[in-house]
Amino acid sequence: DVVMTQSPLSLPVTLGQPASISCRSSQSLVHSDGNTYLSWFQQRPGQSPRRLIYKVSDRDSGVPDRFSGSGSGTDFTLKISRVEAEDVGVYYCMQGTHWPRTFGQGTKVEIK
Amino acid sequence: EVQLLESGGGLVQPGGSLRLSCAASGFTFSSSGMSWVRQAPGKGLEWVSGIRGTADSTYYADSVKGRFTISRDNSKNTLYLQMNSLSVEDTAIYYCAKGTVHLGDYWGQGTLVTVSS
Repeated sequence: DVVMTQSPLSLPVTLGQPASISCRSSQSLVHSDGNTYLSWFQQRPGQSPRRLIYKVSDRDSGVPDRFSGSGSGTDFTLKISRVEAEDVGVYYCMQGTHWPRTFGQGTKVEIK
Repeated sequence: EVQLLESGGGLVQPGGSLRLSCAASGFTFSSSGMSWVRQAPGKGLEWVSGIRGTADSTYYADSVKGRFTISRDNSKNTLYLQMNSLSVEDTAIYYCAKGTVHLGDYWGQGTLVTVSS
């Protein structure tokens, strides 16, 4: 199975400051169709997950443009340009290239 | 508006069975792969199973293979997860999610399964 490793696992941030989460996969996530199926999810306390980013860098509808995704192959990053209070929660990366699908351990974002 | 509504969770004894359902609306269900994802109390997300729109292919996590069966009824716009030989490690909130490749643009609210004697 593809192992997804996130860092850091805890991220205290100051409001208005940037934040960055890394996600590394144990195998390349480039699919045979040429796409790279790496997604990012946000889970606020007590809520269902919400997808923010798919195919590495495509933002889902309604997702603020302060969220951006980048990377290739096995190394990916989620960036929040200026953290707002509503961004508190746990963030997960997930690969959709290989079966079984696998998630990272999650990164808890909190306000300092 | 896309809606996914899970049901069927509850308390079950170890070794028991349970069938979860996910009623879908607001999109062409038969054209969409579907997935089950679970979350144990205080833990992260774990992908459980996926099924293609035509139901010709199904996929499972190693942790549930041979015990869980995913299926769908496209005439009823409903996704199922039959869970057998349940153990305490299966205690979790079970989410239904749209998609298998582009997984997760829509999620249900989840249904809680508690395995305990």
